[in-house]
Order: sequence, then structure tokens, then C-alpha cells
Amino acid sequence: DAMVIQNPRYQVTQFGKPVTLSCSQTLNHNVMYWYQQKSSQAPKLLFHYYDKDFNNEADTPDNFQSRRPNTSFCFLDIRSPGLGDAAMYLCATSSRRYSNQPQHFGDGTRLSIL
Amino acid sequence: AQSVTQLDSHVSVSEGTPVLLRCNYSSSYSPSLFWYVQHPNKGLQLLLKYTSAATLVKGINGFEAEFKKSETSFHLTKPSAHMSDAAEYFCVVTKANNNNDMRFGAGTRLTVKP
Repeated sequence: DAMVIQNPRYQVTQFGKPVTLSCSQTLNHNVMYWYQQKSSQAPKLLFHYYDKDFNNEADTPDNFQSRRPNTSFCFLDIRSPGLGDAAMYLCATSSRRYSNQPQHFGDGTRLSIL
Repeated sequence: AQSVTQLDSHVSVSEGTPVLLRCNYSSSYSPSLFWYVQHPNKGLQLLLKYTSAATLVKGINGFEAEFKKSETSFHLTKPSAHMSDAAEYFCVVTKANNNNDMRFGAGTRLTVKP
């Protein structure tokens, strides 16, 4: 089945130690998104890629960066995680930007900060 | 700008009874509307979407929603709840043809009692 896969499902890192979260997709979608979801809250969009075109949300902290080396993969890098960055991180894809196509989500990576 | 209000943070029903999760939206433009479900430690799964076609939308797992422009509502219903329906439900609005800007409601937690 075509899908969005996030690895790892659970990640533990230390305060201030860089961490990378991974997302891959077999849907061949042009658009990939990263969301942060804190406990009992709705997901919050961090940024998205349209092909190789990176689009940052205005309120996304500089501590968060992303890479998309090819259509299938996208990475979320947190340069110096703080305790407030503990959350579920969700990757999503969409076939087209600026359309009414829904986003398709992976199962997320739960990040804990020690 | 678009926004959604999910009128209940928590809904509890008994197995086999109807489910009603309420969502009101605000949009300056013709909206697209979605319902997503999130089970614990999982990503968001699309239940159904409204994109200006039929106002009564049927989704997966027996769910449906009706777009009522006069009431600015998009309530989610199911005739008979199953234990596996227990989850968090998010109503989402976007401007039509702008799926990058998904505005999430705060979520409704559905509990199903045996």
C-alpha cells in the first residue's frame, strides 16, 4: 500500500543534542509537510516543501530545519532541542499544492527530551 | 481568514448508539472541509472531505457529514458507535484550492462505553 512512513516512532534525545527525524513516502506526492503536535492539541504546521521549494511558517523557530534530498524523503532537524520541543512530529504529503486534495499523514515520531 | 470551532471537547456515547461531533466553520471564501481521526500514538487518518460537490458526504467506517452553508456547520455523524471509534477527531477547514493552509479545530475526544 502506498503510504507515509516515519522513523523512528519514538525518539529520545538529550537537551541540546541535535536530532533528526525521517519521513518517506511511496505516494510520489509533490508536497511534504512537517507538523508539531503537543499533548491534547491540534497539529501545528512548521514548514512544507513543494518539490524542492522550501516554505517556512512565519512562527517556526530557527531551531527547526528541514531537508528534502529527493521526492521520497524529507527530514526534520532540530539543532538544539529544548524541553519545550517534546512533542509528536507528524509528516504529511499531498499530491498538489493549492488544491482541494487532502493531506495524508504518517503515524508520527514521538520525541522526548531528557 | 478561515477557522473552525469544535463545539465539544469530549463526547461520550454507548456502543451501538449514534455519534454526533459538532463543527462550525468561518470562512471568507468557499471552503473545503475535512474530518480526520487520530487514534492514540497514531497519525491523522482522513475520514471524509467536502470540496463543493454534494453537501452530504459519506466517509469511511460508516461516518458521514453534512455541509450546511446557512448554519456554517459540518457536523460528523455515525448511526451506531463501535468501540474502535474511540479516538480524537479533528475538523479542518481550508480555503478552496489552498490545501497548504489547513486550519484545525481543537479536537473532540470520543469515548465509547461498552
